[in-house]
Amino acid sequence: SQQGEEDPQALSIQEGENATMNCSYKTSINNLQWYRQNSGRGLVHLILIRSNEREKHSGRLRVTLDTSKKSSSLLITASRAADTASYFCATVSTGNQFYFGTGTSLTVIP
Amino acid sequence: DTEVTQTPKHLVMGMTNKKSLKCEQHMGHRAMYWYKQKAKKPPELMFVYSYEKLSINESVPSRFSPECPNSSLLNLHLHALQPEDSALYLCASSQRDGSRVGSPLHFGNGTRLTVT
Repeated sequence: SQQGEEDPQALSIQEGENATMNCSYKTSINNLQWYRQNSGRGLVHLILIRSNEREKHSGRLRVTLDTSKKSSSLLITASRAADTASYFCATVSTGNQFYFGTGTSLTVIP
Repeated sequence: DTEVTQTPKHLVMGMTNKKSLKCEQHMGHRAMYWYKQKAKKPPELMFVYSYEKLSINESVPSRFSPECPNSSLLNLHLHALQPEDSALYLCASSQRDGSRVGSPLHFGNGTRLTVT
């Protein structure tokens, strides 16, 4: 399977705290992306990091990528109740094939 | 609301029925995707269309038949499904040209399919 692994599977934090989730993958990649999914809805793209980048920021999001370890992390700072959702990493190699990781379910308690 | 529209939102079908799922986007994207998602699991890639041609079939059973009539529309025809095929079926689209490998996916909100 080309599916990535994410940990933790579930994360519960208080509003205002930071949330960190990790993604490990198996194959070489062109880029890695993070998506959010609210219950019963489609996925929403959050951020993309290319294989030659090590860190990227977007608002309260910070993504790191270590291609030597085939791993990435997503940090959400100053979390809000509205951040409650499932978060998936997706690896992209050639041919526009997107494979999603197992996901992290984040609960932010007001 | 998303820019990718999927219909119907919910579908209940028997194992002998034939039904179709529809997906539409008007963003000029030339790659379109079908994903299947079971509860509390990640989306699983089924099919990819690039410039209206099927480019990837992830060994999906023939009871699922995709069709891309034009660059804005994507259908998934269903026939003789099994109860284990019950899932959320997600359509997505992305830009597709030689310089943009892996442009972000834009998802619809899915069709919740129940096979009885």
